[in-house]
Amino acid sequence: EVQVVESGGGLVQPGGSLRLSCAASGFTFSNYWMHWVRQAPGKGLVWVTRINTDGSSTSYADSVKGRFTISRDNAKDTLYLQMNSLRAEDTAVYHCARQSGDYYYYNMDVWGKGTTVTVSS
Amino acid sequence: DIQMTQSPSSLSASVGDRVTITCRASQSITTYLNWYQQKPGKAPKLLIYIASNLQSGVPSRFSGSGSGTDFTLTISSLQPEDFATYYCQQSYTTPWTFGQGTKVEIK
Repeated sequence: EVQVVESGGGLVQPGGSLRLSCAASGFTFSNYWMHWVRQAPGKGLVWVTRINTDGSSTSYADSVKGRFTISRDNAKDTLYLQMNSLRAEDTAVYHCARQSGDYYYYNMDVWGKGTTVTVSS
Repeated sequence: DIQMTQSPSSLSASVGDRVTITCRASQSITTYLNWYQQKPGKAPKLLIYIASNLQSGVPSRFSGSGSGTDFTLTISSLQPEDFATYYCQQSYTTPWTFGQGTKVEIK
């Protein structure tokens, strides 16, 4: 079964750090670009960041640039999100998603259920 | 950033109704438009890609149309399992952006 499963969420104080993981299975992880998308409580989906197949190219939302770092370990079929200098507004469920599509017509076709990050003192 | 605006934000409908959700982009995105369905506590699910292409396994009662700045998701005959929140999303340029969502509720 093709799936991605997130882990690593939890309660962290403002200014703290957290590292999320996303374990992929059922597909050749190294062939796919990957994304993180978050959803604050009761709110909509917000794209956070993406990474290409070998990790050489990344892109971030302005709201997390300089604080979050996306990376991947293709040998372990795992995607990561290192989150530093966390703020209350980073509180959300964080989903990882697989990018699919061709010729720039991309979408996110496999999603995880997410892991919850709560930033509070 | 490209702003995506959905309407309505919520709607009430009955089983068997035809439902239409609109998504407008702040600039032309040709057909770089996807639709997702999300149920409470669940992962989003891809329904439609490139504005009008049905994702594998998605029932044919779902359809998408549009190009440029104006797009539509239609459910031809609403079923009980379709009560959910629907999001449009552009992949024309980063940052990828989503509409605010349309919650489809039971009437």
